[in-house]
Amino acid sequence: QSVLTQPPSASGTPGQRVTISCSGSSSNIGGNTVNWYQQLPGTAPKLLIYRNNQRPSGVPDRFSGSKSGTSASLAISGLQSEDEAEYYCAAWDDSLNGVVFGGGTKLTVL
Amino acid sequence: QVQLQESGPGLVKPSETLSLTCTVSGGFIRSYYWSWIRQPAGKGLEWIGRVYTSGSTNYNPSLKSRVTMSVDTSKNQFSLKLSSVTAADTAVYYCASAIDTALDYWGQGTLVTVSS
Repeated sequence: QSVLTQPPSASGTPGQRVTISCSGSSSNIGGNTVNWYQQLPGTAPKLLIYRNNQRPSGVPDRFSGSKSGTSASLAISGLQSEDEAEYYCAAWDDSLNGVVFGGGTKLTVL
Repeated sequence: QVQLQESGPGLVKPSETLSLTCTVSGGFIRSYYWSWIRQPAGKGLEWIGRVYTSGSTNYNPSLKSRVTMSVDTSKNQFSLKLSSVTAADTAVYYCASAIDTALDYWGQGTLVTVSS
């Protein structure tokens, strides 16, 4: 049981916009920034969004993040086949004094 | 660009101690946190803990009693020790760097199997 809650799956067709939600509490998302990771099959996770809505260099602007209260969202616009991956949200948790992850959302491009 | 590489035994016997090292190349930036994350096959990511370049640590409460992390800046390495392992500790172990809480650079991961 993950501290942060994500839907286990999401899907969309090429060109579509998809959003993935991440729900937490006041001790994690509510009081700290959210980071998102993309894990392509058989590879290490890659930082996709940091500090709620910032993109590291090289990440396409099709990916965007937002946060409101104790929830966060990752949006992917102009969906492409190469976006098919597992997506994880994460945040610092003040009660646990550590990083907590969501359970991951498997994105399928139909 | 920072690059990280995990190394250590791929097979550990139950009740023994798992030991992994992460070697950093491309610069050892002093303001980084150096983290360990693991992922059992087919499952999600679990944060194990982190060590700052000063040596201060934060551990996952569920693993805290068994985890020790350290850093050797002279060798550009940091390490993980997990004691009293069981089959539940079988996973791919990743090392990663972090500024604040964002894990920006990751190693490729190393599979550690706990089995007699």
